[in-house]
Amino acid sequence: GAGVSQTPSNKVTEKGKYVELRCDPISGHTALYWYRQSLGQGPEFLIYFQGTGAADDSGLPNDRFFAVRPEGSVSTLKIQRTERGDSAVYLCASSTTGGTGELFFGEGSRLTVL
Amino acid sequence: EDQVTQSPEALRLQEGESSSLNCSYTVSGLRGLFWYRQDPGKGPEFLFTLYSAGEEKEKERLKATLTKKESFLHITAPKPEDSATYLCAVQNTGGFKTIFGAGTRLFVKA
Repeated sequence: GAGVSQTPSNKVTEKGKYVELRCDPISGHTALYWYRQSLGQGPEFLIYFQGTGAADDSGLPNDRFFAVRPEGSVSTLKIQRTERGDSAVYLCASSTTGGTGELFFGEGSRLTVL
Repeated sequence: EDQVTQSPEALRLQEGESSSLNCSYTVSGLRGLFWYRQDPGKGPEFLFTLYSAGEEKEKERLKATLTKKESFLHITAPKPEDSATYLCAVQNTGGFKTIFGAGTRLFVKA
């Protein structure tokens, strides 16, 4: 079956612009995570969804970052007024066990803010 | 606050030279400790989950062990295809946030 799909795979934008990153999880997976990974670092937790609701958004760095999952499947990470420091790979993961087990990751969206 | 520290940052081995990677963790209540493998340009790929001290899991040349404060990933007779970044992560019983360490970059030379 299909794995976690993330689009776009690469996004180059200018400072101050708005960006949306999309994640299509594995069908039937109720838990969905967003992580941010900078070069040479481990994934940094941003937000966790259980179904349609954000169960834990404590990792979102500031109010420029927002994520939605309106129908409990596809999720969109939205970044307003992008800054150069937002440049990173944004990873999405899904899980079938309410978030308590193995995470299945997509290949990430590489964001570059010029 | 939950914390995961991995060492060494990088490890260079000759093919066949066994070694271990360390993951030290601090968590108020451990729901699970996870090991992932990450290849360049890819997302992390799940390897193991350990739930309690004394537990061990094996897969091919890899063996993961767990104590109350740390976990080890033992690599026996590694091959060049084992070269990757190995990530350790923990999940707290109080929630479902999975916290990752910075990883150990393993290079195995033929």
